[in-house]
Amino acid sequence: AQTVTQSQPEMSVQEAETVTLSCTYDTSESDYYLFWYKQPPSRQMILVIRQEAYKQQNATENRFSVNFQKAAKSFSLKISDSQLGDAAMYFCAYRWDSNYQLIWGAGTKLIIKP
Amino acid sequence: DAMVIQNPRYQVTQFGKPVTLSCSQTLNHNVMYWYQQKSSQAPKLLFHYYDKDFNNEADTPDNFQSRRPNTSFCFLDIRSPGLGDAAMYLCATSRRRETQYFGPGTRLLVL
Repeated sequence: AQTVTQSQPEMSVQEAETVTLSCTYDTSESDYYLFWYKQPPSRQMILVIRQEAYKQQNATENRFSVNFQKAAKSFSLKISDSQLGDAAMYFCAYRWDSNYQLIWGAGTKLIIKP
Repeated sequence: DAMVIQNPRYQVTQFGKPVTLSCSQTLNHNVMYWYQQKSSQAPKLLFHYYDKDFNNEADTPDNFQSRRPNTSFCFLDIRSPGLGDAAMYLCATSRRRETQYFGPGTRLLVL
């Protein structure tokens, strides 16, 4: 069965510093996609970054980057220069190519200390 | 801007009184999804439409129904809400199996 594990229920970081959120997944599929979504207190689910499994290059979006280790089935999110607006619940999600369903991790609550 | 819109943002209903939540999109995506999310848990997929093709998740209660009259709109009907149905309901859309984009959600309170 496909599963996604986020082992850090909560993380905190000082404003302007860097933080890494971890995510591991289990699958026997070869073609799949991985996502990080952010859910601030407003509860709107916002796409942060997406990674295709067939791409070796790690995805980046401004201050957000991932460390995708396919063999280790690891997909961590690095946030550089943390800002107060980054405070949110972060969900890691997986989808295999032939399916519509997202498999979600339990989420990591990120706290930014001013 | 292209977007996913949910109305209302907050809905209060009485135990057992039918309620309908609305989702519309300007992205022209052919897939629309309904999720239920409780407190800080991960969203749980209830069902999705690929065009007019309805796909129900196996563990979605019969109390939940959905309609998609056209590409832009999708409705979630809860026939007899119970206290356990109080949650955030998220609508999402995607182009085929591509990235899902979410609306702001409707928070449902059952009294």
